[in-house]
Amino acid sequence: NAGVTQTPKFQVLKTGQSMTLQCAQDMNHEYMSWYRQDPGMGLRLIHYSVGAGITDQGEVPNGYNVSRSTTEDFPLRLLSAAPSQTSVYFCASSYSGQGANTEAFFGQGTRLTVV
Amino acid sequence: TQLLEQSPQFLSIQEGENLTVYCNSSSVFSSLQWYRQEPGEGPVLLVTVVTGGEVKKLKRLTFQFGDARKDSSLHITAAQTGDTGLYLCAGGTGGFKTIFGAGTRLFVKA
Repeated sequence: NAGVTQTPKFQVLKTGQSMTLQCAQDMNHEYMSWYRQDPGMGLRLIHYSVGAGITDQGEVPNGYNVSRSTTEDFPLRLLSAAPSQTSVYFCASSYSGQGANTEAFFGQGTRLTVV
Repeated sequence: TQLLEQSPQFLSIQEGENLTVYCNSSSVFSSLQWYRQEPGEGPVLLVTVVTGGEVKKLKRLTFQFGDARKDSSLHITAAQTGDTGLYLCAGGTGGFKTIFGAGTRLFVKA
């Protein structure tokens, strides 16, 4: 049972480069989300999706795009990387985004450094 | 903006000691969760509480949700080295967004 799979695990980008962080889940969860984790700031929500074809912004969406063409996949695109986007990125999925069914299953994270 | 404040930020104790960490907010949450995160891994859910005043126990861990559903505590009895990690609380807003606190980093010394 793979759960939530994120790739790559580590990435170094130059300022201005673009890239896509991949996330896939095999639990048939409707709700998926992307967080970034920075020291002393916990996890901050970037974008989320309540189902295929539906996405919305979280707390810190600027500089990131998402799409949800299938239930399984939820890629995060960095359009033009900046040093401020150096962080650890986590993808999560849950059965539902509301109520007591919001138990989130997290991937192992992608450590991104922008130089 | 809804915020969850966790205290203390850091805690270093000897094996066998008891401890309590706190998660506080000025906002009401429809549910509150506690996660534990180990280095290089994603957070893993420990418990979800949804009713004001609710108490849940998970072996040596006791979780309480405040009566007004604005705060929560996690008490660990007789801490073990395996309890070392980052403890995060997360609040459901009733919409589709879950807000995380910054976490309490616990280190249990043998």
